Amino acid sequence: DSGVTQTPKHLITATGQRVTLRCSPRSGDLSVYWYQQSLDQGLQFLIQYYNGEERAKGNILERFSAQQFPDLHSELNLSSLELGDSALYFCASSVGWGDTIYFGEGSWLTVV
Amino acid sequence: AQTVTQSQPEMSVQEAETVTLSCTYDTSESDYYLFWYKQPPSRQMILVIRQEAYKQQNATENRFSVNFQKAAKSFSLKISDSQLGDAAMYFCASMLATGTASKLTFGTGTRLQVTL
Repeated sequence: DSGVTQTPKHLITATGQRVTLRCSPRSGDLSVYWYQQSLDQGLQFLIQYYNGEERAKGNILERFSAQQFPDLHSELNLSSLELGDSALYFCASSVGWGDTIYFGEGSWLTVV
Repeated sequence: AQTVTQSQPEMSVQEAETVTLSCTYDTSESDYYLFWYKQPPSRQMILVIRQEAYKQQNATENRFSVNFQKAAKSFSLKISDSQLGDAAMYFCASMLATGTASKLTFGTGTRLQVTL
């Protein structure tokens, strides 16, 4: 158990819908990261927050947004969902930059 | 930009034997970190080992060790006394340690099969 908690573990939704994925980082960790793992594109970095502020942005679509709250938990919002958004979404956390990043178990999103 | 290359899509090893997974990376930075993560069928990402670029000594963690060749930008993972539980996808990753942002850049992974 890495200490990073993600909910829900599995989610099935229809195209065009919106979902929210939630993440609680390890106790003491200030950085939260979101990654997308799809079958054909490997692990893609989406976004990083540090203590509530956005610090790095990767290949995150405009339909996706994220935030980190004062209690340090984070949410990833995915809207206008398409079939291609079906993937495993990982949240990860670390104390700060340069520190080891620990992953949650992931949220499986299936868009039908 | 960082890139990480794993040239072996699949590898196979017999139980109790040793196997080495290859990884090369490209970065213009001098300060960075390298990692190997394991992803078993459960799909959870599990940290295997970490190496700081400024350290010359190769990291070890029980049966896992790395061969870090900074000049060649090579970072291979050696698994000794392989066990059935080692069967998984292994990802090599690099992380910059400058500025206020950090992110892992992953290779495409090597699927390791362990046979009896």
